[in-house]
Amino acid sequence: AQSVAQPEDQVNVAEGNPLTVKCTYSVSGNPYLFWYVQYPNRGLQFLLKYITGDNLVKGSYGFEAEFNKSQTSFHLKKPSALVSDSALYFCAVRGYNDYKLSFGAGTTVTVRA
Amino acid sequence: SQTIHQWPATLVQPVGSPLSLECTVEGTSNPNLYWYRQAAGRGLQLLFYSVGIGQISSEVPQNLSASRPQDRQFILSSKKLLLSDSGFYLCAWSVGSAAYGYTFGSGTRLTVV
Repeated sequence: AQSVAQPEDQVNVAEGNPLTVKCTYSVSGNPYLFWYVQYPNRGLQFLLKYITGDNLVKGSYGFEAEFNKSQTSFHLKKPSALVSDSALYFCAVRGYNDYKLSFGAGTTVTVRA
Repeated sequence: SQTIHQWPATLVQPVGSPLSLECTVEGTSNPNLYWYRQAAGRGLQLLFYSVGIGQISSEVPQNLSASRPQDRQFILSSKKLLLSDSGFYLCAWSVGSAAYGYTFGSGTRLTVV
């Protein structure tokens, strides 16, 4: 069975500071990893994914994530956070030949001005 | 390009009334389709998924049902709504390969009163 853990319910940072949202996963075989962002009363928007290749993945809105196989982690990062980055962030994993994504519980990011 | 449509955006229904939420996908064939419920703006609960017309898998026993009458149409239904059915319902689609994540609809906010 596959699963995702986001250990922090909330992350609070000041605008301009670096932002990190943590994610660890469990899956059989090679993982396919994803980050999504959700703004209030909206659907989830895709940010980035890791399939294979370079462990550092760059995505939308200046976000990036680092795949670490030995630590089974896929932390989301942004070097300089904006107030507009305040939202709910979900990490997800999908195994090969699996129809379903498994989502973490989500992390609420608040960036204060 | 592929798009996903979900409606209505908001819905207020009395307890005991029927429900029908519709989701359609354009620009792709034979998508995998999913219904999620999100309670209290947090975690996503997979309700149903479908890998083909008439093929529905239920993830949790509940008061809801799903149908896929056409390749790109996915319907979530209930004969009699309960208060506990209130929540934010999200439809999503994906292709079969694990290298692809989901594309989400904009969601339906259902309030049962």
